[in-house]
Amino acid sequence: GAGVSQSPSNKVTEKGKDVELRCDPISGHTALYWYRQSLGQGLEFLIYFQGNSAPDKSGLPSDRFSAERTGGSVSTLTIQRTQQEDSAVYLCASSHYNEQETQYFGPGTRLLVL
Amino acid sequence: GENVEQHPSTLSVQEGDSAVIKCTYSDSASNYFPWYKQELGKRPQLIIDIRSNVGEKKDQRIAVTLNKTAKHFSLHITETQPEDSAVYFCAASKTGNQFYFGTGTSLTVIP
Repeated sequence: GAGVSQSPSNKVTEKGKDVELRCDPISGHTALYWYRQSLGQGLEFLIYFQGNSAPDKSGLPSDRFSAERTGGSVSTLTIQRTQQEDSAVYLCASSHYNEQETQYFGPGTRLLVL
Repeated sequence: GENVEQHPSTLSVQEGDSAVIKCTYSDSASNYFPWYKQELGKRPQLIIDIRSNVGEKKDQRIAVTLNKTAKHFSLHITETQPEDSAVYFCAASKTGNQFYFGTGTSLTVIP
């Protein structure tokens, strides 16, 4: 595809429910990143996948958050038992592992937990 | 790990004036420093980047400088225009590792 895509673009859920957010990276990009951006705030790193290596999960805020990357392409970020403080824009980015190529961001998923 | 600090958090300039945003980083092994522009409600977009083997890079009205010794890098926007109004983020990374972002600078260009 032409760029990184994410779905859904918006998600409203009730507190306590689980949500899944999807990211389709640019074809051929080996690295995939998830970030969280709260209203008016910076980019909070969540998790980083690089090829077949074990992911860097050091940014995940709690064990309610998990992510998978199947077949080295599509990634799913899962938030279990959502809380109101999980409300934010979740951004995905991908890059090609070739001497630090640029990250390209998706449009984000705006999550609202009621 | 890496720690990136960005200043100022907000910046207002008159149209036509210059704007400067500064970032510092802590890990001397970081070797790639991109700058992103994020307009309201949109995704971050890369506007310029610099690698550690270069001290300065320019692209039209935008320039970035890097001081490896002091571990700081700066974004310079000259002849600012209203469409430059956005939030700007700096970042630092090293090969095969995650990117560390600054907290952002909200730039307002006053017509």
